[in-house]
Order: sequence, then C-alpha cells, then structure tokens
Amino acid sequence: DAGITQSPRHKVTETGTPVTLRCHQTENHRYMYWYRQDPGHGLRLIHYSYGVKDTDKGEVSDGYSVSRSKTEDFLLTLESATSSQTSVYFCAISESTSGGPQETQYFGPGTRLLVL
Amino acid sequence: AQKITQTQPGMFVQEKEAVTLDCTYDTSDPSYGLFWYKQPSSGEMIFLIYQGSYDQQNATEGRYSLNFQKARKSANLVISASQLGDSAMYFCAMRVWDYGQNFVFGPGTRLSVLP
Repeated sequence: DAGITQSPRHKVTETGTPVTLRCHQTENHRYMYWYRQDPGHGLRLIHYSYGVKDTDKGEVSDGYSVSRSKTEDFLLTLESATSSQTSVYFCAISESTSGGPQETQYFGPGTRLLVL
Repeated sequence: AQKITQTQPGMFVQEKEAVTLDCTYDTSDPSYGLFWYKQPSSGEMIFLIYQGSYDQQNATEGRYSLNFQKARKSANLVISASQLGDSAMYFCAMRVWDYGQNFVFGPGTRLSVLP
C-alpha cells in the first residue's frame, strides 16, 4: 500500500467553474504525478512534481495548473473547467529519489470528474 | 518520441489457461523501463511487473511473466493459469531516463476470463 489518497473521489461541476483536486501521500516520496484517463488513450501525464515547489508540464497540461507546497500534498487545479476535462484523474508517486527509468509508479484510487 | 502500442482491444481466455497480451514500444533511448498495470472494474491501477532495458532475463512475478524481445521492441505480458479475477484492463507502459517525465501508457487491452 503506497499510502496515496485522492479527494474528492467524485465531483460534478459546471463549465467555467474552478476545480481543485487533491493528492495526499503518507510516504514522503519526492516524485508525484497527475494523469488523466480517457477511453482509447490509456493514461496521459498532465503535470508532475520532483519536490516542494518544483513542478513541470506533461503531455496534456493545457488548462491545468498544479502546486506543491508540502511534500505530502500535490494539488491539481482546473482554473475554468470545460467539458473536455471530464475524465478520471489519477495521482501517482515514485518511491525513489532520482526519477530513473526503473522506478515504479504507484497510483491513487482516482477521481471521477464530470463537467456539465 | 516514445510510444506504446497494444493492438488487442479485447481478449478472451478460458479459466486456467495461459494468455499473452501484446505490447510493442518505440524509443531511441537505450535506457528505459517497461511496466504492466492491471485495472479491474473497480478502477484502481495495480502494478504487476517491471522489465529494465538492460535486464538480461525476463521478469517474473508469480503468475505474471514478461516476454521481453529487445530487438523486436516487444514486451508481452504472459499470465499463466488464468483466474476469473484476472478479468480487467491491462496497460503496458514505458519510462525513459528523463528525471520524472515520459511515463507513456498504451491504450490498454481488456481481458475477459471465461469460466
């Protein structure tokens, strides 16, 4: 058990409203990630963090921002939600400290977001 | 650019038989890792097995083994003695040496185990 929780687990919101998803880990891991999962696409990386206040963009970062003010929390914000952001959002962590290719990522339970 | 291809959208297997899920990858980086994840209908992503590009032997984890053919750029997952609980989506993923980025997933294969 990698000790990852996500909140909320389900959310329905309206187009144009801001939404913040929270990922919390209890293991003090350096690397944290946000993915979105859509049918036919597998998981796609939105943003990741390699330390407190250190973040970088992934493949599908447009329309999303992130923040990491504490090691244990990684927040994903949709500043103005759109229907195309309806998806399942997964947070993940890497156990090691160097971010190398051998490092397994462990995933949180996911958040289902519906933007009407 | 890195890419993962899973050409089988869906597979069926009889309980207690073995099944192979295909995965091919594309990267020009010599250092990379290959992963398989299982996603049951409950939605969580479960790590199954890992293979490093420099590993000489195929990875095994219980009933899971990874058939790694580097020259063909394939990393097929073999599940032996299938169980009803193996019914799920299976994702192949790759990571290259890039300090946290470039963890690329394939579109997945849905496996159904028949009693």
